[in-house]
Amino acid sequence: GAVVSQHPSRVICKSGTSVKIECRSLDFQATTMFWYRQFPKQSLMLMATSNEGSKATYEQGVEKDKFLINHASLTLSTLTVTSAHPEDSSFYICSAERTGGINEQFFGPGTRLTVL
Amino acid sequence: AQKVTQAQTEISVVEKEDVTLDCVYETRDTTYYLFWYKQPPSGELVFLIRRNSFDEQNEISGRYSWNFQKSTSSFNFTITASQVVDSAVYFCALSTGANSKLTFGKGITLSVRP
Repeated sequence: GAVVSQHPSRVICKSGTSVKIECRSLDFQATTMFWYRQFPKQSLMLMATSNEGSKATYEQGVEKDKFLINHASLTLSTLTVTSAHPEDSSFYICSAERTGGINEQFFGPGTRLTVL
Repeated sequence: AQKVTQAQTEISVVEKEDVTLDCVYETRDTTYYLFWYKQPPSGELVFLIRRNSFDEQNEISGRYSWNFQKSTSSFNFTITASQVVDSAVYFCALSTGANSKLTFGKGITLSVRP
C-alpha cells in the first residue's frame, strides 16, 4: 500500500509553454501533499505544501503565480509550471501524507522537466 | 529553524567494505522525526527508515543499521558488506512535530566498486 504516482514521468516542452504535472495517491487519501524540486546533483527543496480544498502554502522564494498548485481531491494534486523557461528544467517530486498520518510522507517517482 | 548536515559529499568503497554515512541535525523542537532515503540513478526516493525523537534505540535491518545519538544530534547510517547495488545518493531528513515538512541534507553519493 501507500503508492504515489506522478504523470508524466518525463516531459520536454518549448520555452513559454505551460506544463501540468499530476500527483496521485493510489491507495490512500492524502489531505496534504508536498511538491519538491531537485536540480542535478543537489538536494530536494520543498516548493510548497498543498492542502486539499484550500490554497497551497509556498516556501520563501517560490513564485506562486509561476508554480500553480491545485489539490482538488483527496487523491490528486497538480503542479502547473506556467510560461516555462530553461531555468525551470528540473526534477519535480511530489509526496503525499496519509490523512490522519503523522510525519510520514510517501514519495512519487518524480517528473523530469526539460524546457528548450 | 531546522537543519540537516551531511558533511560527506562523496564516498567510494570497494564491494564488501563497511561504510558509515553521517548525519547531524539541528532543531529546537523536542518532538521530531529523522529519516533516511536512498535515491538510485532512476531518481525515485526509496524510504529506508523513520525514527522519532523519543526512541533512541539503534536499529538493524539486514545489512543496514542506524545509530541515533541525541547527545550529539546525530543519526548515522551504516551499510555492512556493501554491494554494487548500494550505489546511490543517500539523504538524511528531518521533520518536526509541528508539521510534516521535511528538511533534507545535501545528500551523500555512495559508489561501491566491484
